[in-house]
Amino acid sequence: NAGVMQNPRHLVRRRGQEARLRCSPMKGHSHVYWYRQLPEEGLKFMVYLQKENIIDESGMPKERFSAEFPKEGPSILRIQQVVRGDSAAYFCASSPLSGARRETQYFGPGTRLLVL
Amino acid sequence: GQQLNQSPQSMFIQEGEDVSMNCTSSSIFNTWLWYKQDPGEGPVLLIALYKAGELTSNGRLTAQFGITRKDSFLNISASIPSDVGIYFCAGRGGGSQGNLIFGKGTKLSVKP
Repeated sequence: NAGVMQNPRHLVRRRGQEARLRCSPMKGHSHVYWYRQLPEEGLKFMVYLQKENIIDESGMPKERFSAEFPKEGPSILRIQQVVRGDSAAYFCASSPLSGARRETQYFGPGTRLLVL
Repeated sequence: GQQLNQSPQSMFIQEGEDVSMNCTSSSIFNTWLWYKQDPGEGPVLLIALYKAGELTSNGRLTAQFGITRKDSFLNISASIPSDVGIYFCAGRGGGSQGNLIFGKGTKLSVKP
């Protein structure tokens, strides 16, 4: 999938545990987006980050969810005290430019989270 | 908020047939993208459209950015079994910071 790496590919958690999802963007890309996909649905935007900055978190639940993209290392989507409704596929996308006419987002293979 | 209506929801066709699917929006989009998603994988970009009226091809795939900037279609000619999958349209409006709005997908099945 165009070089965006996500891990783990599958994650099983019990209710109340924490889930940490990692995303390494394509080389040279400094913009990362997180989306959530429920079965039989399209992807829903959660959060948009640049290095060390959250640009838009309008799609992310206010509680239990947080995201970061540090200066070094992958972007992390963190879900605290998971509930069954958090079960979904979480996709990361990256792009080289934002606000520019030729911005295109390339997606990783996703992390499938199952909460028991 | 902005929404995309994608149709049809599913298609079941014979190998060799042409396929057409479309997306309409309640508001203007500046970018239209078409992705294909296979089971257990992430969306793979097929075609990107940046200008109203733009018509772009990628092999057997052709997509157009509607003149009104509120719609787009994707055509697949002479379908083959590996075309099976879910096709998503995605758009980016002028007011967004960069996030994409996705349609609910068109599930394509191809009978050999």
